Amino acid sequence: GAGVSQTPSNKVTEKGKYVELRCDPISGHTALYWYRQSLGQGPEFLIYFQGTGAADDSGLPNDRFFAVRPEGSVSTLKIQRTERGDSAVYLCASSFDSNTEAFFGQGTRLTVV
Amino acid sequence: KQEVTQIPAALSVPEGENLVLNCSFTDSAIYNLQWFRQDPGKGLTSLLLIQSSQREQTSGRLNASLDKSSGRSTLYIAASQPGDSATYLCACLDDYKLSFGAGTTVTVRA
Repeated sequence: GAGVSQTPSNKVTEKGKYVELRCDPISGHTALYWYRQSLGQGPEFLIYFQGTGAADDSGLPNDRFFAVRPEGSVSTLKIQRTERGDSAVYLCASSFDSNTEAFFGQGTRLTVV
Repeated sequence: KQEVTQIPAALSVPEGENLVLNCSFTDSAIYNLQWFRQDPGKGLTSLLLIQSSQREQTSGRLNASLDKSSGRSTLYIAASQPGDSATYLCACLDDYKLSFGAGTTVTVRA
């Protein structure tokens, strides 16, 4: 597609459940990022992929969070044992290379009840 | 760690007035600075990107300036319209990470 695509757009889950959030970057973009945005705040960095490898996962809040990008294109952010504090908008972005313009998807709004 | 601040947090102006949005950052060693627009419940739309070697960038009614030495960027929106109502975020890129401000929420009154 022409832009970064994220699915689902909204996800409501019960506390303790496992969720997967998907990101389909712009074709040809080698760099992919996940950010998390809480209400009234700017997005905060979670993880950065260059190709298939996670070059920097220092923003992941704890070991319940994990992300993969097995073929260097689509990425999945996985959250185990969800907590109410995980509720936020999860944004994915891609760029041609690591220090070029980033393009964001529409985000996935995660609500943990 | 890069700290990005946007002042004011909210702004309300009558239609036709020029908008001035401010962004300050603590670490001047940036690759570039991007301004984004975010509509309620939506993702981020890139408006302007200023490379670290540039002083300003223009697109239509939008003009963004960058002063790395003082750690400041300003976004100017000329002749505001109700459709400009949104939250505007600035973000500094250093070492592939974007550091965002909390945004300025703009309301343009018809």
